[in-house]
Amino acid sequence: NAGVTQTPKFQVLKTGQSMTLQCAQDMNHNSMYWYRQDPGMGLRLIYYSASEGTTDKGEVPNGYNVSRLNKREFSLRLESAAPSQTSVYFCASSAFASGVSFRDYEQYFGPGTRLTVT
Amino acid sequence: GENVEQHPSTLSVQEGDSAVIKCTYSDSASNYFPWYKQELGKRPQLIIDIRSNVGEKKDQRIAVTLNKTAKHFSLHITETQPEDSAVYFCAAWASGSYNFNKFYFGSGTKLNVKP
Repeated sequence: NAGVTQTPKFQVLKTGQSMTLQCAQDMNHNSMYWYRQDPGMGLRLIYYSASEGTTDKGEVPNGYNVSRLNKREFSLRLESAAPSQTSVYFCASSAFASGVSFRDYEQYFGPGTRLTVT
Repeated sequence: GENVEQHPSTLSVQEGDSAVIKCTYSDSASNYFPWYKQELGKRPQLIIDIRSNVGEKKDQRIAVTLNKTAKHFSLHITETQPEDSAVYFCAAWASGSYNFNKFYFGSGTKLNVKP
């Protein structure tokens, strides 16, 4: 049981390049999330997917797109990278079904992707 | 939407002392408050959580208290050890369709436990 996995671990892009960050979970969770973490700013939600087939914007969605490919996989795409997108990106998942149990809300995080845009 | 503020941003204590980290939230509908620990270069991991119908919860050396009236909750770590050194994040979750399934995180507290 690998939990939440992310690829790649590190990436350097030039301004204007595009790339896709991959995330997969093997816990049969319904909900998945993408966060970015910048020094002194905590975790900010970029996009989330409450369930397979749905995606919604979070706090900082500009410059990003997402795809919930199936229940296991949730990818984040940068179409035209900018230096302001230099950050550590975390994918997370939670069981959350109908909120029957608060345990369903616990978020499990992937190991992160460190992205630098020059 | 929700706004979660966390203080202090850095905290340095001597091994064996207690550490307290405080968070305030704005949305009175918030009903679930987890705390995450993030060691250097690692992913955040849940260490304790509390629901809005409970005032205090303990798990060995860590405890969380919640004051719904004042809209603040705190993490208490007793008998701190060097391995407690990490960044700690509080979060709040508010029910309601506009906040569906979204956590709002505080900005983090870097705890340094000096041997």
